[in-house]
Amino acid sequence: SQTIHQWPATLVQPVGSPLSLECTVEGTSNPNLYWYRQAAGRGLQLLFYSVGIGQISSEVPQNLSASRPQDRQFILSSKKLLLSDSGFYLCALETRGVGAFFGQGTRLTVV
Amino acid sequence: AQSVTQLGSHVSVSEGALVLLRCNYSSSVPPYLFWYVQYPNQGLQLLLKYTSAATLVKGINGFEAEFKKSETSFHLTKPSAHMSDAAEYFCAVTLSDSWGKLQFGAGTQVVVTP
Repeated sequence: SQTIHQWPATLVQPVGSPLSLECTVEGTSNPNLYWYRQAAGRGLQLLFYSVGIGQISSEVPQNLSASRPQDRQFILSSKKLLLSDSGFYLCALETRGVGAFFGQGTRLTVV
Repeated sequence: AQSVTQLGSHVSVSEGALVLLRCNYSSSVPPYLFWYVQYPNQGLQLLLKYTSAATLVKGINGFEAEFKKSETSFHLTKPSAHMSDAAEYFCAVTLSDSWGKLQFGAGTQVVVTP
């Protein structure tokens, strides 16, 4: 069965510090992967998606970037965090014909 | 562009009572529609989906939803609420064949009272 690993579960970072959130999946190959953010007042928002290694599409302009260095690895990064980057970050995996499955998320608080 | 509207940000139901969560969509073409549930500090779990096969869709945990094109609705119901149904519920839509590219509603928080 497919599994999504996200870490860390919680993170508190100062404004201006860098960020790296990792998502790895198991039990599938060549998956479509997604980063969503859930923030107060902004609901669930698709940030990036990837259909393969090195292929990244950005849905909204922002302070974040994403990379996919390996087939089952999806990384969300920032060079300098802003207060507005606080939120709950969810990695998702698409199973064709079934739907999107989400990881347990990382709660980021920028202070 | 497609979107979904969930009516009611908070719903309180008694244990054993009907759960009804409303979702209306806006789309110029037939969409794919989904309901997800989220428990505190956890990811989203897929409850059910509509993909133009049957209009009445049955999902996990006793939930079902009916697609009504004439009303552009996809309301979620459960005949008898259980305490474990307390969570936040999200309706989502996509027009693409990528079912991971979802447009979510604002969510409905369900509280179940004894």
